[in-house]
Amino acid sequence: DAKTTQPNSMESNEEEPVHLPCNHSTISGTDYIHWYRQLPSQGPEYVIHGLTSNVNNRMASLAIAEDRKSSTLILHRATLRDAAVYYCILSGATNKLIFGTGTLLAVQP
Amino acid sequence: EAGVVQSPRYKIIEKKQPVAFWCNPISGHNTLYWYLQNLGQGPELLIRYENEEAVDDSQLPKDRFSAERLKGVDSTLKIQPAELGDSAVYLCASSLAGTGYNEQFFGPGTRLTVL
Repeated sequence: DAKTTQPNSMESNEEEPVHLPCNHSTISGTDYIHWYRQLPSQGPEYVIHGLTSNVNNRMASLAIAEDRKSSTLILHRATLRDAAVYYCILSGATNKLIFGTGTLLAVQP
Repeated sequence: EAGVVQSPRYKIIEKKQPVAFWCNPISGHNTLYWYLQNLGQGPELLIRYENEEAVDDSQLPKDRFSAERLKGVDSTLKIQPAELGDSAVYLCASSLAGTGYNEQFFGPGTRLTVL
């Protein structure tokens, strides 16, 4: 299973954009890129996923590099409720998610 | 729409005692997952069901862990006997199908403390 590399932690200010990077140099052609986040004392929740093209939804945007070896999760205006651990995950056809340790995002008021 | 339901939310037991966790997935979700999450780590898959069939249990410690999903709906994960190192959060998740593009919905987890 392909692995991802993320910074351990990042900080942001409230109402500013946040760019969370993820490297996945060993990604295969059929791997989807998923982002989940986990708020304190809760189970993970889905944020966004993509395969090759950039994706937007109500929560965030996902920018995927042309060679697919890296991606960036973009939160357009961080709020205090966005403080969480963000996981970048690759999965193949079985939808098997292999979580790393993620990026702990702190949002300052 | 109700999410994934897990019970209990917290459980404290003595080592060597048995313990069981229950999960009710989102209605209509054929795929059910059990994960274990240690403090400071991401969740790790223990077992995945497609309906009532366990299709991936390669990470389930079968000497003390067991799981069942008899009617393809709710599921139970059991540990017998529990060890100190089993203290963790046990998460259940469900999805529509076990393919690469389906979102997994997670429950709140059961926090197990083994004394």
